[in-house]
Amino acid sequence: DAGVTQSPTHLIKTRGQQVTLRCSPKSGHDTVSWYQQALGQGPQFIFQYYEEEERQRGNFPDRFSGHQFPNYSSELNVNALLLGDSALYLCASSLGSLGGNQPQHFGDGTRLSIL
Amino acid sequence: QQQVKQSPQSLIVQKGGISIINCAYENTAFDYFPWYQQFPGKGPALLIAIRPDVSEKKEGRFTISFNKSAKQFSLHIMDSQPGDSATYFCAASMRRAGTALIFGKGTTLSVSS
Repeated sequence: DAGVTQSPTHLIKTRGQQVTLRCSPKSGHDTVSWYQQALGQGPQFIFQYYEEEERQRGNFPDRFSGHQFPNYSSELNVNALLLGDSALYLCASSLGSLGGNQPQHFGDGTRLSIL
Repeated sequence: QQQVKQSPQSLIVQKGGISIINCAYENTAFDYFPWYQQFPGKGPALLIAIRPDVSEKKEGRFTISFNKSAKQFSLHIMDSQPGDSATYFCAASMRRAGTALIFGKGTTLSVSS
């Protein structure tokens, strides 16, 4: 039973560029959430996708956008990259159709470095 | 404003000892409190979670104690082992506002042999 998979594992970009990160949820899960984890900090919620729509959004600028596909996989896009966007980007999946707070399972993340 | 405050920032425990990590929250609408364990280079892994209608939940060597009136909850790791050395995060979420997890800043646990 495959868990949450993310690609790529590492990425180096320069300021002003754009980046796309990818996530495949755990088998059977239909909801994908994205988090940003700065070094030495706890993860911060970016947004959540369910039924191909953004269901909830954290305090992140519009430069951060996402998409969910019919197979429940998801992408996170970040435009006009800033040095402060350097972080570990985590994807978590859950079974949203059950309602309420369902356990969220995380992938190992994409380490994004901005030069 | 930090909604979930976690302490201590770091903790050193002898092998076989009890590790205790504490968290406090402000928003009484939170209704789900999980704990995650994260090893270097890995994503957070769900350890154990509790809802506010119970005061304690135990799974193996891990126990959550929950004090609703004090708005505090804690993780106890019994018989701590070197393999438990990791960073631990508490989190909270509220069903009525979606299921986004609000994380504490983490506690780095080192278990010495």
